[in-house]
Parts: sequence; structure tokens; C-alpha cells
Amino acid sequence: AIQMTQSPSSLSASVGDSVTITCRASQVMTHDLGWYQQIPGKAPKLLIRATSTLESGVPPRFSGSGSGTDFTLTISSLQPEDFATYYCLQAYTYPYTFGQGTRLEIK
Amino acid sequence: QVQLVQSGAEVKKPGASVKVSCKALGHTITGPYIHWVRQAPGQGLEWMGRLNPNTGDTNYEQRFQGRLTMTRDTAMHTAYMEVNRLTSDDTATYYCARGVFMDVWGQGTTVTVTS
Repeated sequence: AIQMTQSPSSLSASVGDSVTITCRASQVMTHDLGWYQQIPGKAPKLLIRATSTLESGVPPRFSGSGSGTDFTLTISSLQPEDFATYYCLQAYTYPYTFGQGTRLEIK
Repeated sequence: QVQLVQSGAEVKKPGASVKVSCKALGHTITGPYIHWVRQAPGQGLEWMGRLNPNTGDTNYEQRFQGRLTMTRDTAMHTAYMEVNRLTSDDTATYYCARGVFMDVWGQGTTVTVTS
């Protein structure tokens, strides 16, 4: 199974800051990577599919990039509603695997 | 817009089984794959497996092999996930989600395993 190592596990930032979250796959994969946002008590929400395709309705301050084994989620100009937990998911091969999550907190 | 609506919370004893349903509203259950993901309290997301609702084919995470069954009833537009031989480690919120990248999620079903 592909292991997804996500970093950092937690992050403190202020409104208006830009942050980057990284996922590293244990083997080379295609662009079949997604990013999810989860607010406590709610189901995850898909933000980005296929490494860099923004879901409808997701603000353009969210962006994704990467290839091979290294993938990133960047959130520019953080807004109060962005403070949540973020997960990556590899959808390249079964079993699918999630990263461990990054908790983004307000500084 | 398709919605997935899951069955209600469950409390089970160790060794019992639980079956969670996931009903598609505004669409048939057929089409994109249905995945099941669980989240233990305070923990991350764990992919359990997926169901091809068109054929009934499944892929399960190996650690659940022999204990997990995913099925569907196309007439009822509903997918099901059953876990047998429950232990306290199975206490979690269970989600169904639709599509390769899981773009539509159910609201989650809390399963508590306690003696």
C-alpha cells in the first residue's frame, strides 16, 4: 500500500497569512491526489482533485500542485473559515490512503 | 444534486455486527463508486473499501478482510456497509462517499462499541 506522509501535523497561522501543507507518497504515483478540509463534527469536504483541479465553489486562494511523490496544498490569504484540519488522499491505487492530517489553528 | 443520507447512530456490544446504510437522494445509487471511510474519535480518516454499485464488485482494505462486507440494493438506491466481530477499536464515525475523489459525502454514522 502507498503510504502518505503529511506534514506538518499542526500549524499555527494568522488571518491573511499563506500556508503550505505537504504530502509525500511512499512511491511514485500519478496525479490522482485529492485534498480535503474537515471542520470538527462535519464530514470532510473535497477541495482539490487530481492534484490541482479546484472543486466548484472552492475559493481560488486554495491551490494544489505536485508530481511524482511530492504534493502540496497552498492556502493564500487565510480567512477565519479556513482554520480546520486538512487531509490528502491518494486515489492512484487500492487501498486508497489518507495522510495523517494537518490541523491549522489560529495564532 | 445528489445527496447521501446515512442511517442513525448505533451502540453495539463487543462481538456484535453493525450494518450502516447510505441512501442516495436525487440520484440512483448506481454510477460512481461508493467508498466507506471511518474516523475514530480524535483521529484521522481511514479508508475501508469501495463498492462498484453497478456490478457489486468490492475492494477492501486488507486489515478488514473477512470482517467487512459492502453491498447495495439498487431498487432502494442504497449502499450498505457491515462490520462483524466488533471490538472497542471499531468505535468511530463511519462515512460513505461517492466518486473517485469522494466529492459527495454522507453525514456520518457514529458507531459505539461498548460492553
